[in-house]
Amino acid sequence: EVQLVESGGGLVQPGGSLRLSCAASGFTFNDHYIDWVRQAPGKGLEWVGRSRNKANGYTTEYAASVKGRFIVSRDDSKNSAYLQMNSLKTEDTAIYYCTRSTPGGGPNNFNVWGQGTMVTVSS
Amino acid sequence: DIQMTQSPSSLSASVGDRVTITCRASQDIRNELGWYQQKPGKAPKRLIYAVSSLQSGVPSRFSGSGSGTEFTLTISSLQPEDFATYYCLQHNSYPHTFGQGTKLEI
Repeated sequence: EVQLVESGGGLVQPGGSLRLSCAASGFTFNDHYIDWVRQAPGKGLEWVGRSRNKANGYTTEYAASVKGRFIVSRDDSKNSAYLQMNSLKTEDTAIYYCTRSTPGGGPNNFNVWGQGTMVTVSS
Repeated sequence: DIQMTQSPSSLSASVGDRVTITCRASQDIRNELGWYQQKPGKAPKRLIYAVSSLQSGVPSRFSGSGSGTEFTLTISSLQPEDFATYYCLQHNSYPHTFGQGTKLEI
């Protein structure tokens, strides 16, 4: 079964850090990119960032709202991706989802999502 | 950034109705658009990719159309399980952007 499972969410104080993980199974991880999407309570979906695969240089993209504070990365040996969140703000409070995507789009683009992990930034 | 303007933001309908949701992009996104359904407490589920391709396993009452900057999701005959929130997503350029969502209610 193709699956993504997020972990690592929790309560953190403003200015703090947290690292989320996304464990993949059931597909060839290193053929895919991993994107992170978040959803603040009662709000819509916001794309956060992308980690490309080795064939595309492990390069990254970010939304302006998180650039310079968040880092996306991956470990192909563990079939896992990560979202390192630093200098957290109250407005980063959200459910964070990981989803897979593919170079050039296509049928495997954003078609599998994790269940999400909740991050609460509060003092 | 490409803005995705989705309308309506909410929609009241009945079982059996035909409904249409629209997303308008602020610039040409070619065919790099998908539609997603989200139910409360659940992750988004992809319905349509590349504007009009139906995700495997999704009922054929869902369809997508459009090109360039204007796109539509149509549900031909609403079923009880279709009451949810729907989003479009453009992945033509960075940052990828979602529409604001359409809450489909009874």
